[in-house]
Amino acid sequence: EAGVVQSPRYKIIEKKQPVAFWCNPISGHNTLYWYRQNLGQGPELLIRYENEEAVDDSQLPKDRFSAERLKGVDSTLKIQPAELGDSAVYLCASSSGAGQRTDTQYFGPGTRLTVL
Amino acid sequence: GDSVTQMEGPVTLSEEAFLTINCTYTATGYPSLFWYVQYPGEGLQLLLKATKADDKGSNKGFEATYRKETTSFHLEKGSVQVSDSAVYFCALGSASKIIFGSGTRLSIRP
Repeated sequence: EAGVVQSPRYKIIEKKQPVAFWCNPISGHNTLYWYRQNLGQGPELLIRYENEEAVDDSQLPKDRFSAERLKGVDSTLKIQPAELGDSAVYLCASSSGAGQRTDTQYFGPGTRLTVL
Repeated sequence: GDSVTQMEGPVTLSEEAFLTINCTYTATGYPSLFWYVQYPGEGLQLLLKATKADDKGSNKGFEATYRKETTSFHLEKGSVQVSDSAVYFCALGSASKIIFGSGTRLSIRP
C-alpha cells in the first residue's frame, strides 16, 4: 500500500514569493490533515478536511495561507506571500476515520520550506 | 486547553540500556494517547497507542501504559538498539485533533 505522498520535499524561496505544497493521501482515506512543524517542536495542525470540506481551519493563518482539496483526494496548501517565519516542515497526514480521537494518522515525509 | 509535556532531550544511551521517556498530559474528557517516531529522513509513523485507561500499547519492544491517575503515558524499552535512534513524540488524541509534545531525540551508542 502506498503511503502519503508529498511534493516537493524541499523548497527554498525568497520572502514575499508564493509557494505551494501538494499532498496525495493514502487511497480511501477520507480525512486529510496539514501540519506545520517548527524546528525542535511537534507538529501543529493547520487544517483538517473531511472529504472536500474543511472542518477545522481555526489554526490556519487565513491572511496568507490557503488550502484546497478538490474531489476529496489530493490537496494543495499555498502560502502567498511567504514570510521568514514560515520556514518550517509542512506535513500532510491522512486517516480512514472521521477525525475520531482513536484514529491513527499516517504522515507523509513532509516539505521542508526555507524562506530567505 | 489540552496539552502534552514530554521529557526534553537529547537522550543518549548505550546499546542494550533500559529506556524511559516520560510523557504527561492535560486533557478534558477521555483522550487517546499515542507515541509517534520519526527516524532520520523519514516521516512520522505510529509506534503504539492506547485508547483507554490502563491499556498498554506495545510494538517493536516498546511499551507504554495509559495511566489516568497520574495522567501519564511513559515510553519504555528494556534493551535499546542503535536502530532505535530517532525523535519520539508523545501525542494526545481528543475530539477531532491530535496534540503533539515537542519531541525527544534519542541517540544510541554502539
